[in-house]
Order: sequence, then C-alpha cells, then structure tokens
Amino acid sequence: GENVEQHPSTLSVQEGDSAVIKCTYSDSASNYFPWYKQELGKRPQLIIDIRSNVGEKKDQRIAVTLNKTAKHFSLHITETQPEDSAVYFCAASPTSGGSNYKLTFGKGTLLTVNP
Amino acid sequence: DTGVSQDPRHKITKRGQNVTFRCDPISEHNRLYWYRQTLGQGPEFLTYFQNEAQLEKSRLLSDRFSAERPKGSFSTLEIQRTEQGDSAMYLCASSLSRVVGNTIYFGEGSWLTVV
Repeated sequence: GENVEQHPSTLSVQEGDSAVIKCTYSDSASNYFPWYKQELGKRPQLIIDIRSNVGEKKDQRIAVTLNKTAKHFSLHITETQPEDSAVYFCAASPTSGGSNYKLTFGKGTLLTVNP
Repeated sequence: DTGVSQDPRHKITKRGQNVTFRCDPISEHNRLYWYRQTLGQGPEFLTYFQNEAQLEKSRLLSDRFSAERPKGSFSTLEIQRTEQGDSAMYLCASSLSRVVGNTIYFGEGSWLTVV
C-alpha cells in the first residue's frame, strides 16, 4: 500500500518568513495530493491540492509543487502570519481503481509562526 | 450545507463497553469515509462507502469494529468490547465521487477515551 513520509515534524518561523514542508510517497499509482491544515481540536481543512497532470499550483500565499519522477511534493507558505500556526498534513491517493480517493496521510508538521 | 457532522463529539467509556458514533455527511455526497487519528499522527484510513456499499476495510479495523451506511446517507461506526488502545479521535469525511474533483471534507471528529 501507499506510504507517505512528511518532514519536518516541527517547524518554527518568524512572521513574514516562508515555510516549506516536504512529503514523499511510495505508490506510483498516486496522482492526487491534497494538503490539510488542522488547528488544535478542529477538523482537518483542505487548503490546496494538486493532481499529477500539473507540476505546480498556487493560491495566494500558498503553493504546492509536485515531482512525480522523484515521488515528492512540497507545500510552500510565503509571508507567514501567526494564524498560519497549525498542524499541516500531506496526503496521497490514486484517482482510479479500487482505492481511488482513499487518502494516505503523512504524520503531520506542527508549524509555529512567531510574531 | 452545514458540513460533515459527527455525534457525539466526546465519549468516555469503560473498557469492555460498546460505543457507537454517528456521521452525517454533506448532503448529496455519495462517498463516506471513516478515519482514526491519535495524538501526533495523521489520520489513518479505516473504511469507506460508496452510497450504501462498503467498498474497503483497513486491516486496522478488527472484528470488534463495524460500520454501516444503511440508506446511503448517515453512517454509524460501532466499537464492541472497547480496549484502551481504541482511544483516539474518529474522523468522518465525505465527498462527491465524480470524474474530476472528489474533494474530501472532514467532520470535527468524535473523541473516544477508554478508561
């Protein structure tokens, strides 16, 4: 089955700096890669996703890049703000076959943005 | 659209008791997922439904766990003879299965503590 590794497990940055979180996956059949943000005691919320037919996607201060050959994808947050502080999870899944859209998650990155 | 709702939000039970969680997905979502999340970990897939059909069950789901979605709308997850290792947050998620899209939305989770 799919295995997703996520690094770093914790990340502390100063307000205004950029933050980068990296994930690798093992199953070459995976072609959907969402990122979720989870605040303490709250539900995971989708912040951005990317499919394997593109290499990069951007939404305001958030961007995701994908390298299918190397099986890794990254989340980039620019101009970080204290409200960006949360746990971020990457995930991967195929989009066809019996396990389509069955997400496998990384272990999460605790991002702290210091004012 | 009020999102995915779960009930109860918190449950404390004694070891050996049975517990049942309910999930109401976003209306018209035909896919429903159950995940389990422990502290410091990402959500782990348990099972999912397409309409009323249970399509896949994780090996994490022992014989003590059973999930149903009788009319293709709400779902229940029952844990029989609870053990301390069952303490976790049980997350429900739903999506609308289609050719492109399939964004997966999570509920707030049901926290289970087995004492």
